[in-house]
Amino acid sequence: DTGVSQNPRHKITKRGQNVTFRCDPISEHNRLYWYRQTLGQGPEFLTYFQNEAQLEKSRLLSDRFSAERPKGSFSTLEIQRTEQGDSAMYLCASSPPGQGALSGANVLTFGAGSRLTVL
Amino acid sequence: AQSVTQLGSHVSVSEGALVLLRCNYSSSVPPYLFWYVQYPNQGLQLLLKYTTGATLVKGINGFEAEFKKSETSFHLTKPSAHMSDAAEYFCAVRYTGTASKLTFGTGTRLQVTL
Repeated sequence: DTGVSQNPRHKITKRGQNVTFRCDPISEHNRLYWYRQTLGQGPEFLTYFQNEAQLEKSRLLSDRFSAERPKGSFSTLEIQRTEQGDSAMYLCASSPPGQGALSGANVLTFGAGSRLTVL
Repeated sequence: AQSVTQLGSHVSVSEGALVLLRCNYSSSVPPYLFWYVQYPNQGLQLLLKYTTGATLVKGINGFEAEFKKSETSFHLTKPSAHMSDAAEYFCAVRYTGTASKLTFGTGTRLQVTL
C-alpha cells in the first residue's frame, strides 16, 4: 500500500493552456474523489467515481473541466483553457467499498495534491 | 443548506496548554463527522472520526473529539499542545445520501508557541 499518488506535484502554466493531473488511488479502493483547495479555504468537492462510473459532479466543475477513470483504477483531471482563477491545489482521495456506519468506506485517504499556478 | 462551521481561522496556544478547535454542523440528522490535519505542502491526514457508538472519540497524536447532538458540535481537543501540532485542521461532515462525499469547513490554523 503506497497510498494515493498524484502527479505532477506542481504545475505552472500560462493562461489558456490545457493541463492534466493524474491520480493513482490505493489499489483496493473503488471510490475516487477530486477536490479543489484554494488558499485559506477548505477542500471543495469536484467529482466522484465509483469504479469507472462518474456518479456526481459539483457545479464547480465547469465545462472546461473533465475527469475520467477509464478502467476504474487511475483517474485524470483535465482543465482546458486555464484561467487564473483555476490556480489552486487539486486533491485526490480514495476510499474502499462498503456501506454502513462502521464501514471503512467512510474514510477518505488523500494524496499530497497537485498545485496549479496559472500565470 | 447543509454546512459545517469552524469558529476561528487562527488559534494560538502555548506549548503544554489545552488545544480547543471548534466545529459545528447544520443538519437535523446527525452526519458522520471527521477531523483532518494538513501539514504544509502535504495532503490531509485523518485524525479521528465519529460515525456511531461512543460520542467521545479518540484519535491519533493525543487528540479527541466529542459529538454533542444537542449542540450540533464536534469540537477537537488535546490536553497539552506540542510544537509538532502546528498545522491546519479541518472539520468535515458526511451527510446521509451523499455517498462518501465530505463537506469541509474552512479550517483552523493552529500555532503553538514556546
